[in-house]
Order: sequence, then structure tokens, then C-alpha cells
Amino acid sequence: QVQLQESGPGLVKPSQTLSLTCTVSGGSITGGDFYWSWIRQTPGKGLEWLGYINFSGSTFYNPSLGTRIRMSADTSKNQFSLRLSSVTAADTAVYYCARDYCSGRICYSYLFDPWGQGTLVTVSS
Amino acid sequence: EIVLTQSPATLSLSPGERATLSCRASQDIRDYLAWYQQRPGQAPRLVIYDASKRATGIPARFSGSGSGTDFTLTISPLEPEDSAVYYCQQRDAGFTFGPGTKLEI
Repeated sequence: QVQLQESGPGLVKPSQTLSLTCTVSGGSITGGDFYWSWIRQTPGKGLEWLGYINFSGSTFYNPSLGTRIRMSADTSKNQFSLRLSSVTAADTAVYYCARDYCSGRICYSYLFDPWGQGTLVTVSS
Repeated sequence: EIVLTQSPATLSLSPGERATLSCRASQDIRDYLAWYQQRPGQAPRLVIYDASKRATGIPARFSGSGSGTDFTLTISPLEPEDSAVYYCQQRDAGFTFGPGTKLEI
């Protein structure tokens, strides 16, 4: 079964760029028409979907993040990544990567399961 | 933006009882409503999707209902491992989550 694991710095300075990687095991990120998402969780705003990348060529980002967000993938490493620029304390959160949920051969781009275990990123000087 | 509100904020019940959790959308989202369970220290897990369909591996004691703006997650009979925060999520216009209901068993 597919498993996801986030990695990256736990501390980022204000105004810098947050970079995280999600490593996928148990399946190829290009093995189907899957959607690979980033979601974050804060005590204040709760769960917030950030965006997804799909290997049919689609990326779709939460409009609230404007031009700060970029997602990319390294298929040779079976990884996809998140970059969030110009971070502030409001970007402090637990960041999760997730795949769209599939039931049998049907996958739902708007549902998220499985998830990684999450990684805490703190924005502070 | 569609806003989801959940009630109650916290629910304390005993094993064997029935839990009824509510999620209300600020506008009609048809049946595009999912529920997730998040146990302490864990990532969320999909429980119910499209308002009433159980996700793979979810016990039959979990059920969902509703359409339009009002939705319900029912868990009966409760077991101790059901202690968690439950979030609803809509996909009708973007993807947003509710603030969660903490269920204490």
C-alpha cells in the first residue's frame, strides 16, 4: 500500500522560502492519474488545502496563497515537493502530503487518503 | 468561499452510546461532503465521502447522511478508539474543512 513521508527543515526564517518534500513508497507517483496534495494544519485556521499536482500535467493551488506557492515533482526519486515563498509566522503549521482517495479503480481528486504523518514547520527568526 | 460549521465543538459520551455530529455548509454543496477522523498525534483518515459512503476499512458503526447544507455523522455503538477530532470537508467549490468536533469517549 502507498505510504507518504514528509521531510524538510523544521525552522524557517520570516521572508524566506519553505521547502518540503514528500517521498512516496509502495507505488509510483506516475503510476496512475493520481492527485498529490499538500495540506497544512494550524491551531488557529485548522486544516487548509494548499494545492495538488497531477502527472497528466495539472497543478492547482489554493487561490488564497497567490503566487507564493509552487509544487513540483522528481519522478526519478518518486517525490513531490512544496515551495512556499515569503513566509510569515502565519505559515507555521504541521504540513501533510496526501494522495487522492481511491476505491477500487475509481479515484477522487477531491478526497485525501492516505496522508503522511506530517511535519511541523515553524517560521521564526 | 463556502464555510463549514460543525457542532458541537466537544462531545463527551460513553462506550456503547450513539454520537451525532453535525456539519452545516454556508451554501448548497449537494452531497460533496466528507468526514475525516484525526486521533491525537496522527494524520487525518477518511471515514465518509459523498455524504454517506464509507471509506475502505471503516466499520459499519460509522454512517453519514444529509445533502444540500446539513450533514450528520453518526457513530453507534461507540468504542473507546473512536475518541478523536472529526472534520468535515467540502469539495463543491475548492476544498475546505470545518473546524472539527472533538469526541471524547
